[in-house]
Amino acid sequence: AQTVTQSQPEMSVQEAETVTLSCTYDTSESDYYLFWYKQPPSRQMILVIRQEAYKQQNATENRFSVNFQKAAKSFSLKISDSQLGDAAMYFCAYRTALYNQGGKLIFGQGTELSVKP
Amino acid sequence: DAGVIQSPRHEVTEMGQEVTLRCKPISGHDYLFWYRQTMMRGLELLIYFNNNVPIDDSGMPEDRFSAKMPNASFSTLKIQPSEPRDSAVYFCASSPNPDRTFVDTQYFGPGTRLTVL
Repeated sequence: AQTVTQSQPEMSVQEAETVTLSCTYDTSESDYYLFWYKQPPSRQMILVIRQEAYKQQNATENRFSVNFQKAAKSFSLKISDSQLGDAAMYFCAYRTALYNQGGKLIFGQGTELSVKP
Repeated sequence: DAGVIQSPRHEVTEMGQEVTLRCKPISGHDYLFWYRQTMMRGLELLIYFNNNVPIDDSGMPEDRFSAKMPNASFSTLKIQPSEPRDSAVYFCASSPNPDRTFVDTQYFGPGTRLTVL
């Protein structure tokens, strides 16, 4: 069974600075997808960024980028130029790419990010 | 599109009562997911549907929980009888068919906060 681990329950960053959130996962599959979701106090789950395991290039979405290390099974999220609105719980998630397996997501425990003005 | 719609947003009930949570997925999405979020267990997948058919209900905690999807635009999660340990935030999410659209992002609703006294 696949597992996702986020070892940092809480992180803090100064506004305009850069922060990196860690995520590791365990799987025997070679093809899969990885995601970072953001959950602000409103509780809504918002997709931040998505990475396909077969792609070597790291995904980037504006100020958000990932460092995907497939051999190490590591998938960290870097937030550049942090803004107050980035404060939220961040979840790392895994999804198999097996055909017809649907979109079942396996989530990590989450990292609570606070941004200091 | 209005996104995934869930109702009610908050539900407070007494132990032993029946609780019904409702979800309207994004139009055109083939998959619908029910998740539960608690402090102790994090985010857990309860059940998911593909084209209104339940595919994997292994996450449903016990027989007190049931879910239905009578049509493509509506799903319910029912707890009968409810217990205090069922108190959690319940999320509904939907996604297009990843094998047909190559897009597998899940779109989450705002969640229902359930409190069972």
